[in-house]
Amino acid sequence: RKEVEQDPGPFNVPEGATVAFNCTYSNSASQSFFWYRQDCRKEPKLLMSVYSSGNEDGRFTAQLNRASQYISLLIRDSKLSDSATYLCVVKYNDYKLSFGAGTTVTVRA
Amino acid sequence: EPEVTQTPSHQVTQMGQEVILRCVPISNHLYFYWYRQILGQKVEFLVSFYNNEISEKSEIFDDQFSVERPDGSNFTLKIRSTKLEDSAMYFCASRGVLEETQYFGPGTRLLVL
Repeated sequence: RKEVEQDPGPFNVPEGATVAFNCTYSNSASQSFFWYRQDCRKEPKLLMSVYSSGNEDGRFTAQLNRASQYISLLIRDSKLSDSATYLCVVKYNDYKLSFGAGTTVTVRA
Repeated sequence: EPEVTQTPSHQVTQMGQEVILRCVPISNHLYFYWYRQILGQKVEFLVSFYNNEISEKSEIFDDQFSVERPDGSNFTLKIRSTKLEDSAMYFCASRGVLEETQYFGPGTRLLVL
């Protein structure tokens, strides 16, 4: 079983729409969770950390369900600039991050 | 805003040649990492480095790979004898002691012919 699995998409949505997608992880001892964003051929950049109580950063809302080992990201009022690949990332210890394969989102005008 | 830098941005080499990829982590960071991403695939952990030694390495990081912090600012990844399958984007990352976030450099695209 893969350490981190994501719905690959692609999600093709109009501007202003809401889009949501999920991620599951296999190691119940996982410590921390993140969503990174990756634009084509660029480095991953931290979008937001994910906390057990759920958290919001502007138009982005992340949820974590430790019992189900499930993480989600919701983007409200999508902008053209939100088009990217969103990487679900899990930290097991101080020494490495495990990445999902990414969910591709395309926002169209 | 401080950032991780990497050189070169692109490198083309012949199979069997040695390559050294260079990284300058953020200046007050003490944890350093290398990851790679083969085209169309996920980002994969290679190695982490702290206190002048390897903390953890993946099964990808075999005897052909080595890391070094030759001075107070650079962090290098050496591939001794490159293979075709080493072609990938290599990302360096660093992290501060009290932080969870790893900050990634822009990557070096390595092409092995």
